[in-house]
Amino acid sequence: GEDVEQSLFLSVREGDSSVINCTYTDSSSTYLYWYKQEPGAGLQLLTYIFSNMDMKQDQRLTVLLNKKDKHLSLRIADTQTGDSAIYFCAESPDYKLSFGAGTTVTVRA
Amino acid sequence: GAGVSQTPSNKVTEKGKYVELRCDPISGHTALYWYRQSLGQGPEFLIYFQGTGAADDSGLPNDRFFAVRPEGSVSTLKIQRTERGDSAVYLCASSAPGTSGAPSSYNEQFFGPGTRLTVL
Repeated sequence: GEDVEQSLFLSVREGDSSVINCTYTDSSSTYLYWYKQEPGAGLQLLTYIFSNMDMKQDQRLTVLLNKKDKHLSLRIADTQTGDSAIYFCAESPDYKLSFGAGTTVTVRA
Repeated sequence: GAGVSQTPSNKVTEKGKYVELRCDPISGHTALYWYRQSLGQGPEFLIYFQGTGAADDSGLPNDRFFAVRPEGSVSTLKIQRTERGDSAVYLCASSAPGTSGAPSSYNEQFFGPGTRLTVL
């Protein structure tokens, strides 16, 4: 099993905000990452956050980090049908990435 | 520019057979990684190359799995005596070196589309 845990499914109405949560275990991870996986496509890096930050905003994406609780979240504002995908959070205490099982986000009209 | 490519995209084999999976990293990327993604799971680390050498093969599940990168570019993951439990998507990723020549702490790994291996 993974050391990184995520809820498995999220259904959201188009135009609403999506929030995906993740807990990780390795406090030495300098960076934490969010990847997106669409059917038939490789993993794509969406965004990342440096461990000394609490929040990072990148267009529609907002990452929140609570180091004390080892909790990471990704908020997608104004969710669109193209946001339907599997989202993985990953910790990286060294060169390799340790992924959660992924959250499948389904956007409904 | 070209991304990471993997061939074949799909491989169906019979239990006990030998398979080779190929990865072409992004040109200039000295670091190369193999991950395995089972159905409904996130990718799991298998092996990491820095240049030609395997710097960390701690994720290889057993000695049936082996990977090479003889010229520091293309890598081949080799699986002997395949078992049904080896069925998964095998992902390759590459990253650029940091200033020390090894992946920097911020390590954006660029993933290929994967090879789906099915062992019957």
